[in-house]
Amino acid sequence: GENVEQHPSTLSVQEGDSAVIKCTYSDSASNYFPWYKQELGKGPQLIIDIRSNVGEKKDQRIAVTLNKTAKHFSLHITETQPEDSAVYFCAASIGISNTGNQFYFGTGTSLTVIP
Amino acid sequence: DAGVIQSPRHEVTEMGQEVTLRCKPISGHDYLFWYRQTMMRGLELLIYFNNNVPIDDSGMPEDRFSAKMPNASFSTLKIQPSEPRDSAVYFCASANTGTGKDTQYFGPGTRLTVL
Repeated sequence: GENVEQHPSTLSVQEGDSAVIKCTYSDSASNYFPWYKQELGKGPQLIIDIRSNVGEKKDQRIAVTLNKTAKHFSLHITETQPEDSAVYFCAASIGISNTGNQFYFGTGTSLTVIP
Repeated sequence: DAGVIQSPRHEVTEMGQEVTLRCKPISGHDYLFWYRQTMMRGLELLIYFNNNVPIDDSGMPEDRFSAKMPNASFSTLKIQPSEPRDSAVYFCASANTGTGKDTQYFGPGTRLTVL
C-alpha cells in the first residue's frame, strides 16, 4: 500500500517568515493530495488540496506544489502569523476507485510561529 | 451545513466497560471513516463505509472493536470491553464522492480515557 513520509516533525519560525513542510509518497497511482491543519483540541481541517493534473495551487498565504516524477509534494506558508501555529498533516489518495476511498496520512508537523 | 457531529466529546471510563462513540456525517455524504489518533501512532484508519456498507475494516485493532452504520446519518464505534491502551482521540470523517471529489471532512473528535 501507499506510504507517506512527512518532514520535519517540528518546525519553529519567526513571525513573518515562511514555512515549508515536505511529504513524499510511494504509490505512483496516488492522484489527490490534501493538507490538513489541526489545532489543539480540534479535528483536522482541510486547508488546501491538489490533484495530480496540477503542479501548483495557491490560496492567499498558502501554496502547495507537486512533483509527480519525484513523488513529493510540499506545503508553503508565507508571512506566517501566530495563528498558523498548529499540527499540519499531508495525505495521499488514489481517489475514488474499486478499492475504496482511503487516505494515507503523514505523521504530522508541529509548526510554531514565534511572535 | 453543521459539519460532522461526534458525541460525546469526552469519555472517561473504567477498564472492562463498554464504550460507544457516535457520529453524524454531513448530510448527503456517501463515505464515512473512523480514525484513531495517538501520539505514538498518529492518525490510524480503523474502518470506513460507503453508502452504509463497511468497505475495509482491516484497521480495526481487535475483535473488541466494532462499528455500525444503520443509516446514512448515523454511525457508532463500540469498544467492548475497553482497555487502558484504547485511550486516544477518535475521529469520524465523511466525504461526498457524488460530485467527483473525495475530500474528507473531520468531526471534532471524542477524547476517550480508559482508567
